[in-house]
Amino acid sequence: AQTVTQSQPEMSVQEAETVTLSCTYDTSESNYYLFWYKQPPSRQMILVIRQEAYKQQNATENRFSVNFQKAAKSFSLKISDSQLGDTAMYFCAFMRPVGTYKYIFGTGTRLKVLA
Amino acid sequence: GAGVSQSPSNKVTEKGKDVELRCDPISGHTALYWYRQRLGQGLEFLIYFQGNSAPDKSGLPSDRFSAERTGESVSTLTIQRTQQEDSAVYLCASSLGQVTPLHFGNGTRLTVT
Repeated sequence: AQTVTQSQPEMSVQEAETVTLSCTYDTSESNYYLFWYKQPPSRQMILVIRQEAYKQQNATENRFSVNFQKAAKSFSLKISDSQLGDTAMYFCAFMRPVGTYKYIFGTGTRLKVLA
Repeated sequence: GAGVSQSPSNKVTEKGKDVELRCDPISGHTALYWYRQRLGQGLEFLIYFQGNSAPDKSGLPSDRFSAERTGESVSTLTIQRTQQEDSAVYLCASSLGQVTPLHFGNGTRLTVT
């Protein structure tokens, strides 16, 4: 069974600084998708970034980028120029496009951006 | 257009009562998921609907939990004889297809007293 591990329950970063959130996963599959979702206090989950395992190039969305290390099964999220609005829970998720397209989520990292 | 809508947003119920939670997915989204999020925890998969295929119910924690979806429209999650450990936020998400991004609702916060 696939598992997703986020080893940092809480993190903080100064506004305008850079922070990296860690995620590791376990799977025997070669084709899968990885995601980072953000959950602000409003409770609504929002997709931050997505990575297809077959793509070697790391995904980037504005200030958000990932470091995808397939062999190491690592998928970290880097937030550059942190903003107060980035304060939220961040969840790493795994999905394999076979059978049931079930998303497996990690336990989350609570990020606080400090003014 | 409208996003995923869940109702009620909050529900307080007494132990032993039945509750029904509703999810209106985005129009045209064939896939629909229910997740449970206990306080300070990650998301726990409950059930997945994809079009007219048989749902994946592998995440339902007990036979007190059931869910239905008619076609590609509204889904209801029913919890019978609620217990205190059922207290959580229940999140619904839908997606256009099988590998397209999930769109989440704001969830229903269930409190069992």
